[in-house]
Amino acid sequence: DTAVSQTPKYLVTQMGNDKSIKCEQNLGHDTMYWYKQDSKKFLKIMFSYNNKELIINETVPNRFSPKSPDKAHLNLHINSLELGDSAVYFCASSRGLAGGNTGELFFGEGSRLTVL
Amino acid sequence: GQNIDQPTEMTATEGAIVQINCTYQTSGFNGLFWYQQHAGEAPTFLSYNVLDGLEEKGRFSSFLSRSKGYSYLLLKELQMKDSASYLCARTDKLIFGTGTRLQVFP
Repeated sequence: DTAVSQTPKYLVTQMGNDKSIKCEQNLGHDTMYWYKQDSKKFLKIMFSYNNKELIINETVPNRFSPKSPDKAHLNLHINSLELGDSAVYFCASSRGLAGGNTGELFFGEGSRLTVL
Repeated sequence: GQNIDQPTEMTATEGAIVQINCTYQTSGFNGLFWYQQHAGEAPTFLSYNVLDGLEEKGRFSSFLSRSKGYSYLLLKELQMKDSASYLCARTDKLIFGTGTRLQVFP
């Protein structure tokens, strides 16, 4: 069984469109994250949720809106896609909160978004 | 700030030992992860350091000096499959370094 699963794995779309990426974890973790990895391979945190509550919200355009219907799911919706949004988006989960007894992060396989 | 710095690229020979350094600003620090990422794959956990000293796990060891804002990952008996990016990350805000791309040659 996959611990952290994301869909879709690949997404190709036009500028201006709206798209969503879904993430689910079956590890029973309380905290979930979205990371963006650009072409230079820099892995940057975007959001963190703990028990459906937003904890970390880095400087991300408000076109990006995370939604956590329950603690096992954290979806990412992106409005009005731009060329610069092309990247690999990784979902992750951990037992605890950043700064505390986090436990290791478990990453999904990534969703490669290409904006044309 | 909480900048994390790592060398961009390193090369080494199969069977050798390589040390990958990571430096960070000490303000707010409470622990460090090391992750391995093969091209096109997700990062996978290698080690966690919260106290000063060396943590050994098979061929891989990780060292931390909190007062110096310094960590390193030591890879022994290098294998071709160790060619990957190695990322250090602060556990206070889960910020990753830019990663070090290691290439192992025969």
